[in-house]
Amino acid sequence: GQQVMQIPQYQHVQEGEDFTTYCNSSTTLSNIQWYKQRPGGHPVFLIQLVKSGEVKKQKRLTFQFGEAKKNSSLHITATQTTDVGTYFCAGKGGATNKLIFGTGTLLAVQP
Amino acid sequence: NAGVTQTPKFQVLKTGQSMTLQCAQDMNHEYMSWYRQDPGMGLRLIHYSVGAGITDQGEVPNGYNVSRSTTEDFPLRLLSAAPSQTSVYFCASNLQGSTEAFFGQGTRLTVV
Repeated sequence: GQQVMQIPQYQHVQEGEDFTTYCNSSTTLSNIQWYKQRPGGHPVFLIQLVKSGEVKKQKRLTFQFGEAKKNSSLHITATQTTDVGTYFCAGKGGATNKLIFGTGTLLAVQP
Repeated sequence: NAGVTQTPKFQVLKTGQSMTLQCAQDMNHEYMSWYRQDPGMGLRLIHYSVGAGITDQGEVPNGYNVSRSTTEDFPLRLLSAAPSQTSVYFCASNLQGSTEAFFGQGTRLTVV
């Protein structure tokens, strides 16, 4: 079945450093979504990418969807303590209605 | 507008007991799903539904049942709880399968 992996599993950075998490799917995705989960909270939708090679920005966050629509990345420039949490990618492949989540990347930011 | 409401927030069960986790949404979303979250394993899809009367299995369906008699409600039933089902359970709803998912606050379940 469809599998979605993320690396790294955990990242610890100093405030002000950049951060990137990578998402890889075993199958081609129709779209990719990104979510953020604060400690003790629930996942909250950040963005959706649909087109091959698409790049979207939200303030300090940059999201990319790979040309083959099997991988994606989230880059945060100049991290802040408010960026702490787990970042998940999620994708729906082909004809299936299943929204499969990645394994997540836990980001810790030291002030 | 409450969004997605899950009850209870916390539950402790003994092995072999059964229970139902409740999930309700007031956004008239067609698509609803249940996930479990375990350390290092992300969110794994248990069951999902694309509309009232229609359900399907996700990645880890064993030991769980669902039904979707109305658009609003999507309960998750544990038939005979096992320690391996100790987890945090999230219910989510989408307008359609390819749109953003809205999550409930989660249910933290411990099976002893």
